[in-house]
Amino acid sequence: NAGVTQTPKFQVLKTGQSMTLQCAQDMNHNSMYWYRQDPGMGLRLIYYSASEGTTDKGEVPNGYNVSRLNKREFSLRLESAAPSQTSVYFCASNSVSQETQYFGPGTRLLVL
Amino acid sequence: ELKVEQNPLFLSMQEGKNYTIYCNYSTTSDRLYWYRQDPGKSLESLFVLLSNGAVKQEGRLMASLDTKARLSTLHITAAVHDLSATYFCAVRGTSGSRLTFGEGTQLTVNP
Repeated sequence: NAGVTQTPKFQVLKTGQSMTLQCAQDMNHNSMYWYRQDPGMGLRLIYYSASEGTTDKGEVPNGYNVSRLNKREFSLRLESAAPSQTSVYFCASNSVSQETQYFGPGTRLLVL
Repeated sequence: ELKVEQNPLFLSMQEGKNYTIYCNYSTTSDRLYWYRQDPGKSLESLFVLLSNGAVKQEGRLMASLDTKARLSTLHITAAVHDLSATYFCAVRGTSGSRLTFGEGTQLTVNP
């Protein structure tokens, strides 16, 4: 039981490049989330998926797209990376019955 | 819009001392969460507080929730160095399972 996994762990991009962050969970959770963490700002929700087949915008969705590929996987895409997207990205998941969200190890992204 | 504020944001304390971290939120909620984050690591769930007056304890940490005051506290008893970390509170709004996080309290426990 790996919990929530994320790939890659680290990535350096140049401005304008694109990339996809991958997230998978093996806990049969319905809901999945993408957050970004910046110093002094806590975690901010980018997008979430309450169930397979649905996605919704969070607090800071601009510049990102998501895909809920199946119940296990939820990916985050940066179409044209900008330096303002330099951050640590966390994926999380939870089920209806479990109150807490479980977090992945994070992806550290640097956009030059 | 739900806002969550923690204070203090930085806390340096001596081993053996007691202290409290406060978490205020702006709109109605009956679900409050506390997480711990070590430097360079992910978030680890500490407590889930589900109702007014809820109190939970784990080791030297005790969390409580007052939904009428829209306030949660995380009390640290006889701090030890291993408690050094950043602590986040998060609040679930009234619709759906989205969480809004506070800015975090960076706790340093000195010998």
